[in-house]
Amino acid sequence: QVQVVQSGGGAVQPGRSLRLSCGVSGVTFNKYIIQWVRQAPGKGLEWLAVISPDGTKQHYADSVRGRFTVSRDNSKNTLDLQMNGLRVEDTAVYFCVVVGVDPWGQGVRVTVSS
Amino acid sequence: DIRMTQSPSSLSASVGDRVTITCRASQDITDFLAWYQQKPGAIPKLLIYAASTLQPGVPSRFSGSGSGTDFTLAISSLQPEDVATYYCQKYNNAPWTFGPGTKVEIK
Repeated sequence: QVQVVQSGGGAVQPGRSLRLSCGVSGVTFNKYIIQWVRQAPGKGLEWLAVISPDGTKQHYADSVRGRFTVSRDNSKNTLDLQMNGLRVEDTAVYFCVVVGVDPWGQGVRVTVSS
Repeated sequence: DIRMTQSPSSLSASVGDRVTITCRASQDITDFLAWYQQKPGAIPKLLIYAASTLQPGVPSRFSGSGSGTDFTLAISSLQPEDVATYYCQKYNNAPWTFGPGTKVEIK
Protein backbone atom coordinates (compact mmCIF):
# COMPACT_ATOMS: atom_id res chain seq x y z
CA GLN A 1 0.00 0.00 0.00
CA VAL A 2 1.50 3.27 -1.12
CA GLN A 3 1.81 6.05 1.42
CA VAL A 4 3.05 9.55 0.77
CA VAL A 5 3.33 11.59 3.94
CA GLN A 6 4.20 15.25 3.81
CA SER A 7 5.52 17.54 6.51
CA GLY A 8 6.57 21.14 6.80
CA GLY A 9 4.53 24.08 5.72
CA GLY A 10 3.14 26.88 7.81
CA ALA A 11 2.95 30.65 7.80
CA VAL A 12 5.94 32.83 6.95
CA GLN A 13 6.67 36.39 5.99
CA PRO A 14 7.63 37.35 2.45
CA GLY A 15 11.30 36.73 1.72
CA ARG A 16 11.64 33.96 4.25
CA SER A 17 12.31 30.26 3.62
CA LEU A 18 10.50 27.00 4.26
CA ARG A 19 11.37 23.37 3.71
CA LEU A 20 8.76 20.81 2.81
CA SER A 21 9.43 17.12 3.14
CA CYS A 22 7.81 14.02 1.77
CA GLY A 23 8.24 10.41 2.89
CA VAL A 24 7.23 7.59 0.58
CA SER A 25 6.58 3.94 1.33
CA GLY A 26 5.06 1.04 -0.54
CA VAL A 27 6.92 1.55 -3.81
CA THR A 28 10.49 1.12 -5.00
CA PHE A 29 11.22 4.76 -4.42
CA ASN A 30 14.41 5.00 -6.48
CA LYS A 31 12.56 3.95 -9.63
CA TYR A 32 10.07 6.80 -9.63
CA ILE A 33 10.03 10.34 -10.88
CA ILE A 34 8.58 12.70 -8.27
CA GLN A 35 6.81 15.96 -8.95
CA TRP A 36 5.72 18.86 -6.78
CA VAL A 37 2.38 20.50 -7.49
CA ARG A 38 0.61 23.33 -5.72
CA GLN A 39 -2.91 24.68 -5.59
CA ALA A 40 -3.60 28.26 -4.56
CA PRO A 41 -6.88 28.86 -2.75
CA GLY A 42 -9.78 28.36 -5.14
CA LYS A 43 -7.46 27.84 -8.10
CA GLY A 44 -6.33 24.99 -10.31
CA LEU A 45 -3.29 22.78 -10.13
CA GLU A 46 0.11 24.31 -10.86
CA TRP A 47 3.12 22.15 -11.66
CA LEU A 48 6.26 23.29 -9.86
CA ALA A 49 9.09 20.83 -10.28
CA VAL A 50 10.11 17.33 -11.15
CA ILE A 51 13.11 15.23 -10.10
CA SER A 52 14.48 12.14 -11.80
CA PRO A 53 14.59 8.76 -10.02
CA ASP A 54 18.31 9.07 -9.29
CA GLY A 55 18.02 12.71 -8.29
CA THR A 56 20.50 13.96 -10.87
CA LYS A 57 18.01 15.89 -12.98
CA GLN A 58 15.51 18.51 -11.90
CA HIS A 59 13.25 20.81 -13.84
CA TYR A 60 11.34 23.77 -12.50
CA ALA A 61 8.45 26.00 -13.45
CA ASP A 62 9.42 29.53 -14.37
CA SER A 63 7.49 30.79 -11.35
CA VAL A 64 9.84 29.08 -8.88
CA ARG A 65 13.11 28.55 -10.76
CA GLY A 66 16.01 29.99 -8.82
CA ARG A 67 14.02 30.12 -5.58
CA PHE A 68 12.90 26.53 -5.06
CA THR A 69 15.12 23.45 -5.00
CA VAL A 70 13.98 19.86 -5.03
CA SER A 71 16.16 17.04 -3.74
CA ARG A 72 15.74 13.43 -2.76
CA ASP A 73 17.44 10.86 -0.55
CA ASN A 74 16.89 7.44 -2.05
CA SER A 75 18.46 5.77 0.99
CA LYS A 76 15.68 7.18 3.15
CA ASN A 77 12.82 7.29 0.60
CA THR A 78 12.42 10.99 1.23
CA LEU A 79 12.07 14.11 -0.87
CA ASP A 80 12.51 17.76 0.04
CA LEU A 81 11.39 21.04 -1.46
CA GLN A 82 13.47 23.95 -0.23
CA MET A 83 11.62 27.18 -0.81
CA ASN A 84 13.57 30.43 -0.53
CA GLY A 85 12.54 33.99 -1.18
CA LEU A 86 8.89 33.19 -0.60
CA ARG A 87 6.32 35.56 -2.06
CA VAL A 88 2.69 36.24 -1.24
CA GLU A 89 1.75 34.51 -4.49
CA ASP A 90 3.39 31.29 -3.24
CA THR A 91 0.49 30.88 -0.80
CA ALA A 92 -1.01 27.49 -1.66
CA VAL A 93 -1.38 23.86 -0.68
CA TYR A 94 1.70 21.95 -1.83
CA PHE A 95 1.54 18.33 -2.96
CA CYS A 96 4.24 15.72 -3.35
CA VAL A 97 3.36 13.31 -6.17
CA VAL A 98 4.96 10.00 -7.08
CA VAL A 99 4.43 10.08 -10.82
CA GLY A 100 2.05 7.40 -12.00
CA VAL A 101 1.08 6.36 -8.49
CA ASP A 102 -1.81 7.17 -6.18
CA PRO A 103 -2.37 8.58 -3.70
CA TRP A 104 -0.74 11.99 -3.74
CA GLY A 105 0.67 13.33 -0.53
CA GLN A 106 -1.97 14.79 1.73
CA GLY A 107 -0.83 18.33 0.94
CA VAL A 108 0.59 20.96 3.27
CA ARG A 109 -0.50 24.54 3.47
CA VAL A 110 1.99 27.35 2.98
CA THR A 111 0.85 30.87 3.76
CA VAL A 112 3.08 33.80 2.91
CA SER A 113 1.91 37.03 4.45
CA SER A 114 3.30 40.04 6.20
CA ASP B 1 6.40 26.38 -23.65
CA ILE B 2 3.45 24.21 -24.64
CA ARG B 3 0.10 25.57 -23.51
CA MET B 4 -2.70 23.29 -22.34
CA THR B 5 -6.33 24.23 -22.72
CA GLN B 6 -9.49 22.42 -21.66
CA SER B 7 -13.06 22.74 -22.76
CA PRO B 8 -15.58 23.29 -21.50
CA SER B 9 -14.51 25.03 -18.31
CA SER B 10 -17.60 23.64 -16.63
CA LEU B 11 -20.55 21.46 -17.50
CA SER B 12 -23.75 20.27 -15.93
CA ALA B 13 -25.22 16.95 -16.98
CA SER B 14 -27.78 14.44 -15.78
CA VAL B 15 -27.02 11.14 -14.10
CA GLY B 16 -26.51 8.56 -16.81
CA ASP B 17 -25.43 11.05 -19.46
CA ARG B 18 -22.28 10.61 -21.49
CA VAL B 19 -19.85 13.41 -20.75
CA THR B 20 -16.78 14.39 -22.72
CA ILE B 21 -14.00 16.81 -21.80
CA THR B 22 -11.43 18.00 -24.30
CA CYS B 23 -7.80 18.85 -23.61
CA ARG B 24 -5.68 20.49 -26.27
CA ALA B 25 -1.93 21.00 -26.37
CA SER B 26 -0.42 23.82 -28.40
CA GLN B 27 2.20 21.40 -29.78
CA ASP B 28 2.46 17.67 -30.33
CA ILE B 29 2.92 15.79 -27.05
CA THR B 30 2.34 12.32 -28.60
CA ASP B 31 0.53 10.43 -25.83
CA PHE B 32 2.27 11.91 -22.79
CA LEU B 33 -0.96 13.02 -21.20
CA ALA B 34 -2.58 12.22 -17.86
CA TRP B 35 -6.03 12.97 -16.48
CA TYR B 36 -6.72 13.68 -12.83
CA GLN B 37 -9.95 13.91 -10.88
CA GLN B 38 -10.25 16.22 -7.88
CA LYS B 39 -13.42 15.89 -5.86
CA PRO B 40 -14.44 18.83 -3.66
CA GLY B 41 -12.18 19.08 -0.63
CA ALA B 42 -10.09 16.08 -1.69
CA ILE B 43 -6.64 15.50 -3.14
CA PRO B 44 -6.38 14.85 -6.86
CA LYS B 45 -6.51 11.27 -8.09
CA LEU B 46 -4.88 9.84 -11.20
CA LEU B 47 -7.47 8.47 -13.62
CA ILE B 48 -5.63 7.92 -16.89
CA TYR B 49 -2.05 8.04 -18.12
CA ALA B 50 -0.48 7.68 -21.54
CA ALA B 51 -3.63 9.34 -22.87
CA SER B 52 -5.75 6.20 -22.73
CA THR B 53 -4.49 3.79 -20.04
CA LEU B 54 -6.85 3.51 -17.11
CA GLN B 55 -5.20 3.57 -13.70
CA PRO B 56 -6.01 0.34 -11.79
CA GLY B 57 -9.17 0.69 -9.72
CA VAL B 58 -10.67 3.47 -11.82
CA PRO B 59 -14.22 2.62 -12.96
CA SER B 60 -14.49 1.48 -16.55
CA ARG B 61 -17.00 4.24 -17.34
CA PHE B 62 -13.96 6.51 -17.62
CA SER B 63 -11.96 6.41 -20.83
CA GLY B 64 -9.31 8.51 -22.51
CA SER B 65 -8.41 8.94 -26.12
CA GLY B 66 -6.34 11.06 -28.44
CA SER B 67 -2.76 11.70 -29.38
CA GLY B 68 -0.68 14.54 -30.66
CA THR B 69 -2.50 17.69 -29.67
CA ASP B 70 -6.11 16.68 -29.06
CA PHE B 71 -7.30 14.50 -26.20
CA THR B 72 -10.62 13.51 -24.71
CA LEU B 73 -11.75 12.24 -21.33
CA ALA B 74 -15.13 10.53 -21.50
CA ILE B 75 -17.47 9.38 -18.77
CA SER B 76 -19.87 6.93 -20.39
CA SER B 77 -22.60 7.20 -17.76
CA LEU B 78 -22.24 10.07 -15.31
CA GLN B 79 -22.67 9.13 -11.65
CA PRO B 80 -23.22 11.41 -8.64
CA GLU B 81 -19.78 10.48 -7.30
CA ASP B 82 -18.19 11.85 -10.48
CA VAL B 83 -18.85 15.43 -9.39
CA ALA B 84 -15.34 16.87 -9.48
CA THR B 85 -12.91 19.03 -11.35
CA TYR B 86 -10.92 17.21 -14.00
CA TYR B 87 -7.43 18.24 -15.05
CA CYS B 88 -5.19 17.11 -17.88
CA GLN B 89 -1.41 17.27 -17.56
CA LYS B 90 1.29 16.92 -20.18
CA TYR B 91 4.49 15.17 -19.21
CA ASN B 92 6.48 14.73 -22.42
CA ASN B 93 9.03 17.27 -21.21
CA ALA B 94 9.25 20.11 -18.72
CA PRO B 95 7.27 22.10 -17.86
CA TRP B 96 4.66 19.46 -17.04
CA THR B 97 1.81 21.90 -17.44
CA PHE B 98 -1.72 21.25 -16.20
CA GLY B 99 -4.81 22.30 -18.06
CA PRO B 100 -7.03 24.83 -16.29
CA GLY B 101 -9.58 22.23 -15.29
CA THR B 102 -13.16 21.30 -16.12
CA LYS B 103 -15.76 21.36 -13.36
CA VAL B 104 -18.41 18.67 -13.71
CA GLU B 105 -21.72 19.00 -11.89
CA ILE B 106 -24.99 17.08 -11.82
CA LYS B 107 -28.01 18.76 -13.33
